[in-house]
Amino acid sequence: QSVLTQPPSVSGAPGQRVTISCTGSSSNIGAGYDVHWYQQLPGTAPKLLIYGNSNRPSGVPDRFSGSKSGTSASLAITGLQAEDEADYYCQSYDSSLSGSMVFGGGTKLTVL
Amino acid sequence: QVQLQESGPGLVKPSETLSLTCAVSGYSISSGYYWGWIRQPPGKGLEWIGSIYHSGSTYYNPSLKSRVTISVDTSKNQFSLKLSSVTAADTAVYYCARHMGPGIAFNYFDYWGQGTLVTVSS
Repeated sequence: QSVLTQPPSVSGAPGQRVTISCTGSSSNIGAGYDVHWYQQLPGTAPKLLIYGNSNRPSGVPDRFSGSKSGTSASLAITGLQAEDEADYYCQSYDSSLSGSMVFGGGTKLTVL
Repeated sequence: QVQLQESGPGLVKPSETLSLTCAVSGYSISSGYYWGWIRQPPGKGLEWIGSIYHSGSTYYNPSLKSRVTISVDTSKNQFSLKLSSVTAADTAVYYCARHMGPGIAFNYFDYWGQGTLVTVSS
């Protein structure tokens, strides 16, 4: 059971917009800790997609955007492309116990 | 260009110690940043194991802390993971990665190794 909750799967047709939610609690996202997002293509290592809730690293298309509100965060992908089919993970920090970097359980995006 | 490369045995027997090394190129570990280990069981999600600074300061996942040791060798520009008393539940792809610090709050991993599969089986 992940500390951060993501939907197991989402889907959308090419060109559409999809969102992936990441729900936490008062000891992580709700406490003000940043949320970061990673894209993992099949058989590859995760790649940083969004950092600091809404910032894109150099080279990441502006079709990808992130937001955070309260105890949740969201990743939005507009103009969906076949190459976006991948697993997406949110990540934050949880202050309970001794503190830990935590990941969501991951969301499989299928492009129909 | 920063590159990380994991290495170590792909098969470990139950109750033994898993040992992996991450060689870093394109950046000197002594220059800063934190260096971490993350694992992913087959078909499952990501789990942070722990991180280390070049000074030797460490942060561990509380759920694994009793079995984990992360160390750094600045002369070889590499850092290592040891996980003791392994079981089948420790079978996973193990990744090494970099994050900025300080500490682990507000941090994200910007460079990752390709990962190495470690299977725990007799």
